[in-house]
Amino acid sequence: GENVEQHPSTLSVQEGDSAVIKCTYSDSASNYFPWYKQELGKGPQLIIDIRSNVGEKKDQRIAVTLNKTAKHFSLHITETQPEDSAVYFCAASRTRGGADGLTFGKGTHLIIQP
Amino acid sequence: GAVVSQHPSRVICKSGTSVKIECRSLDFQATTMFWYRQFPKQSLMLMATSNEGSKATYEQGVEKDKFLINHASLTLSTLTVTSAHPEDSSFYICSAESSQGPGEKLFFGSGTQLSVL
Repeated sequence: GENVEQHPSTLSVQEGDSAVIKCTYSDSASNYFPWYKQELGKGPQLIIDIRSNVGEKKDQRIAVTLNKTAKHFSLHITETQPEDSAVYFCAASRTRGGADGLTFGKGTHLIIQP
Repeated sequence: GAVVSQHPSRVICKSGTSVKIECRSLDFQATTMFWYRQFPKQSLMLMATSNEGSKATYEQGVEKDKFLINHASLTLSTLTVTSAHPEDSSFYICSAESSQGPGEKLFFGSGTQLSVL
């Protein structure tokens, strides 16, 4: 089955700086890669996703890059703000939107220092 | 984005009792819903895939008689934890697949914190 590795487990950055979270996956058939933000006691919230036919996608301060050859994808958050503090999960799936269920990374606890 | 409602958000029960958790897609129909379990400071682990009108598909190691799933309509799936024990205490999260917008996506409920005394 799919295995998703996520690094780092904890990331502390100064407010205004950029944060980068990296994930690798093992199943070359995976073609959908979402990123979720989870705040304490809440369910994950989809913040951005990318499909295998695209190398990069951007939405305001958030961007995701995908390297299918190397089987890794990354989340980039620029101009970080205190409200960006949360746990971020990457995930991978073979099928459309994760119809066979997503395989999640272990999560990154992002801390934005004021 | 699409909205998935999950209830209750928190439940405390006595050991041996059963607890039902509801997951509803509010503004879209979901033929497929998923149930995840999350322990503190850990990732989400898929428990089962719930398909409307058919039996759920359970992941390896998940007891189907312990965790009963019913997906009776295109907007509702329920997870019943039967004869709950303290080791069943966890954060349970559902998700539903929406085909609204550019491509299908998964949206998650807000989770249910189950505490078994």
